[in-house]
Amino acid sequence: SAVISQKPSRDICQRGTSLTIQCQVDSQVTMMFWYRQQPGQSLTLIATANQGSEATYESGFVIDKFPISRPNLTFSTLTVSNMSPEDSSIYLCSVVGITEAFFGQGTRLTVV
Amino acid sequence: GQNIDQPTEMTATEGAIVQINCTYQTSGFNGLFWYQQHAGEAPTFLSYNVLDGLEEKGRFSSFLSRSKGYSYLLLKELQMKDSASYLCAVRAPGTGTASKLTFGTGTRLQVTL
Repeated sequence: SAVISQKPSRDICQRGTSLTIQCQVDSQVTMMFWYRQQPGQSLTLIATANQGSEATYESGFVIDKFPISRPNLTFSTLTVSNMSPEDSSIYLCSVVGITEAFFGQGTRLTVV
Repeated sequence: GQNIDQPTEMTATEGAIVQINCTYQTSGFNGLFWYQQHAGEAPTFLSYNVLDGLEEKGRFSSFLSRSKGYSYLLLKELQMKDSASYLCAVRAPGTGTASKLTFGTGTRLQVTL
C-alpha cells in the first residue's frame, strides 16, 4: 500500500496567480499521476510525472499551464499557472500499485 | 482512443440491491478498478478485476467480461451511507506503477428510505 500526503487541502486564489500543489508518498514509486476533477465530473488525467525526465501530458493539457516537478521518487508538485475561474476544480495526485491505485486527499481550488 | 461509459445517476432503496454498469472501449487493457467517492472526498478503492468473472468482497461484488468490454459493480443490502459516486477506471497496459488509469464518467447513486 501507499500513503500520500497532499497539500494544501484547499485554497482560494485570485485570477492570474499561480498555486503549487505538493504530494509526498511514503514509498518510492516510478510514476506519479496528476488528475483534475471539475465540479460534478469524473477524474481527468492531466499528466504523468516521471522521475528524472519531463512529465508526459495528456491531450488538452500543456506544460506552460501545468508545470510539474519530480525531484525524487517520493515527491512531486503540480503548479496551476495564470489561473482563471475555469481552473476551479479538485486536483488529486495518485500512484498505482499492482491491484490498487492510491490517492492523495485532494486540493480543492477556487479561483475568484 | 479511450471511451468508458457509466450511467450518470441511479436511485435505489435502502436494503435493496443495485447494479452499476461500466462499458469500455480502450486501446489496451490491464485491469479495471471500481472506486467510491463521497462528495468532497478522495476516491476510495472498492475492487479490482483483471480476469473474467466475479470478485466478491462483503456487500460489494464486481464482475468483468473482457471480451464484451463490460464490468458491473453490485451493491447488496444498500445503506444510506452508500449514497456516493461510483467510478470505474481502466488501467493501460504496463507494469506495476508505470500504468495510468482512465476513469469513466462516474455514476451518482442516491439511496432512499
